[in-house]
Amino acid sequence: LAKTTQPISMDSYEGQEVNITCSHNNIATNDYITWYQQFPSQGPRFIIQGYKTKVTNEVASLFIPADRKSSTLSLPRVSLSDTAVYYCLVGNSGGYQKVTFGIGTKLQVIP
Amino acid sequence: ETGVTQTPRHLVMGMTNKKSLKCEQHLGHNAMYWYKQSAKKPLELMFVYNFKEQTENNSVPSRFSPECPNSSHLFLHLHTLQPEDSALYLCASSHVLAENTGELFFGEGSRLTVL
Repeated sequence: LAKTTQPISMDSYEGQEVNITCSHNNIATNDYITWYQQFPSQGPRFIIQGYKTKVTNEVASLFIPADRKSSTLSLPRVSLSDTAVYYCLVGNSGGYQKVTFGIGTKLQVIP
Repeated sequence: ETGVTQTPRHLVMGMTNKKSLKCEQHLGHNAMYWYKQSAKKPLELMFVYNFKEQTENNSVPSRFSPECPNSSHLFLHLHTLQPEDSALYLCASSHVLAENTGELFFGEGSRLTVL
């Protein structure tokens, strides 16, 4: 399983764009990159998934360079409610998921 | 509401008690999971059931006993636990199809305290 590395914590002011980068140097050819968000005392929630280039949904954008050894989750104009832990995961899409969650990045949004 | 319901939300038990955690998913998924989340530690995958068959057991102590009677229900039976087993236990489900995202849907967790 590909290991991921991401910053332990980040602070941002309300209204700013936040970019969280994840390194996954040994990503396999058939691996996808998935990001989850977790609030305290709740289960993680799927945010976005991508394989290459750029993916955008109503919540976030995911940028993946051509070598796929890293990815960046972009949250536009964060609010206080975006304060959470964000996890970057790498693994096969489909099939049952044996993905490994790391420590994640704790994002603190400041008023 | 994610479609995955866990009960109880909070549980306090002594080391000699026997209790069970329950998870139910209403999403038509065919894979279900138990994760453990201790304070300041990553989520740990404990068990995976794929089409009701246990496919993963990540070296979990035998005092944790999973049961999956059908693809919608998952239990975690607890007996003679230790205080260090106190944690948030999360259930998740996913649809095992080659073309989907493999997205995990988590319940809100059962907060377990072992005294």
